[in-house]
Amino acid sequence: GENVEQHPSTLSVQEGDSAVIKCTYSDSASNYFPWYKQELGKGPQLIIDIRSNVGEKKDQRIAVTLNKTAKHFSLHITETQPEDSAVYFCAAFYHGAGGTSYGKLTFGQGTILTVHP
Amino acid sequence: KAGVTQTPRYLIKTRGQQVTLSCSPISGHRSVSWYQQTPGQGLQFLFEYFSETQRNKGNFPGRFSGRQFSNSRSEMNVSTLELGDSALYLCASRLAGGSTGELFFGEGSRLTVL
Repeated sequence: GENVEQHPSTLSVQEGDSAVIKCTYSDSASNYFPWYKQELGKGPQLIIDIRSNVGEKKDQRIAVTLNKTAKHFSLHITETQPEDSAVYFCAAFYHGAGGTSYGKLTFGQGTILTVHP
Repeated sequence: KAGVTQTPRYLIKTRGQQVTLSCSPISGHRSVSWYQQTPGQGLQFLFEYFSETQRNKGNFPGRFSGRQFSNSRSEMNVSTLELGDSALYLCASRLAGGSTGELFFGEGSRLTVL
């Protein structure tokens, strides 16, 4: 089955700095890669995603890159703010074939991001 | 648009008991998935339901079961609870039936087994 490795497990940055979280996946058939942010006491919230036919996607201060050949993808947060502090999870999803897409998300172990004011 | 709603949010059970957790997906979403989150194992897939049928299953013992109703609401049940079942159980919904795969999670049901 799919295996997703995520690094680093903890990341501490100063406000205004950039933060980068990296993930690798094992199943080359995975074709959808979302990133989730989980704040204390809440469920994971989708913040950005990328599909296998795209190499990079950006949404304001957040960007994700995908290297299908190397089977790794990264989350980049620029101009970090204290409210970015949370646990971030990457995931890989295999859509499957056919009109309906049954599959499962395999998550990385998470990165605890702390942004110091 | 209301998000994914899970009930109860917190519950305490003792070993050997059983528990039923409920999930109401986002309106219009037909697929419901369940995940277990623990500090040691992270987020692990339990199962996915679509049109009242289990479409995919993770590597959990048979004590973990679920079902989906015609209105897409879902329940999961854990029988003969063990201490190791203490976790945050997350429900997620998505449209399914197309190219989209975006999963939207609820706040979770935190189960403590004593």
